Order: sequence, then C-alpha cells, then structure tokens
Amino acid sequence: DADVTQTPRNRITKTGKRIMLECSQTKGHDRMYWYRQDPGLGLRLIYYSFDVKDINKGEISDGYSVSRQAQAKFSLSLESAIPNQTALYFCATSVIGRTGELFFGEGSRLTVL
Amino acid sequence: ILNVEQSPQSLHVQEGDSTNFTCSFPSSNFYALHWYRWETAKSPEALFVMTLNGDEKKKGRISATLNTKEGYSYLYIKGSQPEDSATYLCAFDYGGSQGNLIFGKGTKLSVKP
Repeated sequence: DADVTQTPRNRITKTGKRIMLECSQTKGHDRMYWYRQDPGLGLRLIYYSFDVKDINKGEISDGYSVSRQAQAKFSLSLESAIPNQTALYFCATSVIGRTGELFFGEGSRLTVL
Repeated sequence: ILNVEQSPQSLHVQEGDSTNFTCSFPSSNFYALHWYRWETAKSPEALFVMTLNGDEKKKGRISATLNTKEGYSYLYIKGSQPEDSATYLCAFDYGGSQGNLIFGKGTKLSVKP
C-alpha cells in the first residue's frame, strides 16, 4: 500500500461544481503539501501545512482551499471548478529539516469541462 | 522571480549510453537542491537532496554534483537502461523549508533497448 494516498485518482467534472481531493498518509510526517502539474510547467505549490494548526498559501492558491483534518489528512477543495483548473494534482509529505525530501502520492487527474 | 531551468527538455539515448542533465538555479539564497525521478503514471521519487557546495551524491548508476556559487547541478546516468526512462525533476529550496521549493520543468529521458 502507498504511504501517501490520494483519492480520487481521476475525476471529470463540470464548470461550477465543487470538488474535493483527499490525501492521507501513513508516514507520520507533520508537513503536507498540494502541488499542481500542468504540461510544460514545473510543479507549482498550491497550499502547504506544517502541522494541523498551520496552513499556508503557496504560489497559486487562488480558487483553492484546504483543510488539515488531522496529522494524516490534508484535503484540497475547488469551490467552483473552472476549466483552467484541469491538471494533475499531487499531494506530498515531508519531515522537518533541511534535507527533508518530499514523498508524493500517485496524483489525482482532474478534468473540468 | 526565481527561476529554475533544466536542460535539455528531452533526451533520447540508446541502452548503454551515459548521459547527463543540467539544473540551473539562482546562486543567492541557496538552501538545498532536490532531484526527483518521475516515471509515467507513478509518483515522483526523491533521488538526492544536496545542501553543500561541491556535494557529490551517488545512488547506483546515478550521481549528482552541486555548484552553489555558480548555480548549477548536474545529474549523470552511467550506462542507461530502459528502466531509467523517466522525467527527472530538480527543485531549488531558497527559504529553508520545502514550502519554498521551486521546481524546474524536468528533463524527459527515453532509453531505447
């Protein structure tokens, strides 16, 4: 079983719908992240959380919100999806520290029609 | 605007060839440099996290070097195998936490048998 699990893995929805992507981890890491991957672009950070009470905006947070329900769970919501939010979304975790690498989930592919 | 450049964008080599890619990043505010390997339909996985100028790291046939003064890192693959086919991502940490990672667009490597 994957240490970082994302659901759903694939989702097609319509403009204006509310969508939630969920992420859970069994690694025991405090830090969790949501990234977005678009063709021809690098991974871009949407939101990150260093613990349950700490939520921070990333580079491209507009149109998104997050919830850190527990140390192991971090959800990303699109309140009113639009077509340019069509992308591959990754959740990631890390430990505290300078050399802390990211551990990624397998990605959630979202298509907004 | 912080920018991380990777070159080449894509690379096609024959099995057994050795190859290398470049990651260029700002030479100021350096904290760490990450390399990830991303196979299609899988999660990106960390290869190296490098923090010191002159660092050299090795994992099997893959190695990396770091020059923080001039702002570049090289990733080398010796004797490429088809299973090395993947996109290789580098990410520059400028702020001391993974919330400050800037990813490059990646180098896509294809190794033909």
